[in-house]
Amino acid sequence: KNQVEQSPQSLIILEGKNCTLQCNYTVSPFSNLRWYKQDTGRGPVSLTIMTFSENTKSNGRYTATLDADTKQSSLHITASQLSDSASYICVVSAARAGYALNFGKGTSLLVTP
Amino acid sequence: DSGVTQTPKHLITATGQRVTLRCSPRSGDLSVYWYQQSLDQGLQFLIQYYNGEERAKGNILERFSAQQFPDLHSELNLSSLELGDSALYFCASSVDQGLNYGYTFGSGTRLTVV
Repeated sequence: KNQVEQSPQSLIILEGKNCTLQCNYTVSPFSNLRWYKQDTGRGPVSLTIMTFSENTKSNGRYTATLDADTKQSSLHITASQLSDSASYICVVSAARAGYALNFGKGTSLLVTP
Repeated sequence: DSGVTQTPKHLITATGQRVTLRCSPRSGDLSVYWYQQSLDQGLQFLIQYYNGEERAKGNILERFSAQQFPDLHSELNLSSLELGDSALYFCASSVDQGLNYGYTFGSGTRLTVV
């Protein structure tokens, strides 16, 4: 079972509107959570990274929140632009040696004019 | 430009063949990770190297192998290729073993097996 679940799987919004993407995880012990944006056919680009003690972090129009108690994170996109159309991937790291990355399958966002 | 360089960008080859994908990590990064992304699938971790040593393995097939050289570049070798191996292969790098710092991804190599 995937330890990182994202919802919705896909989303279509009008340009200028806001949206929120969700990420629930069961990874333990928790180290950090990252949100990546991946344009079609391109490599993922980091948007935010949050540790246990951080509950919100912003990067321009992107704001990520983290609730470590409920093991939930959200990515809020404000005033969406056509260029926001991409896949948004939640990645959770476990606090143990060696490989400890757990990828969600991503939310595919389409922003339409 | 992310600083992680992957070559070639596109590769078309026949079933049964062998190919080598190359990755140069961002300057200063010691860890290299390889991922496979099939159509409409999430990123699947294959293997990680840190400063020349294998550190972790994911869902990497026995037909696949990788290594990291003294200059820290890495190569992913795919042999006895099958149609199902067609995918985007991404390389990522990080300063440490990935627990504390972000990963930087390359632009990927698109492999098509015909």
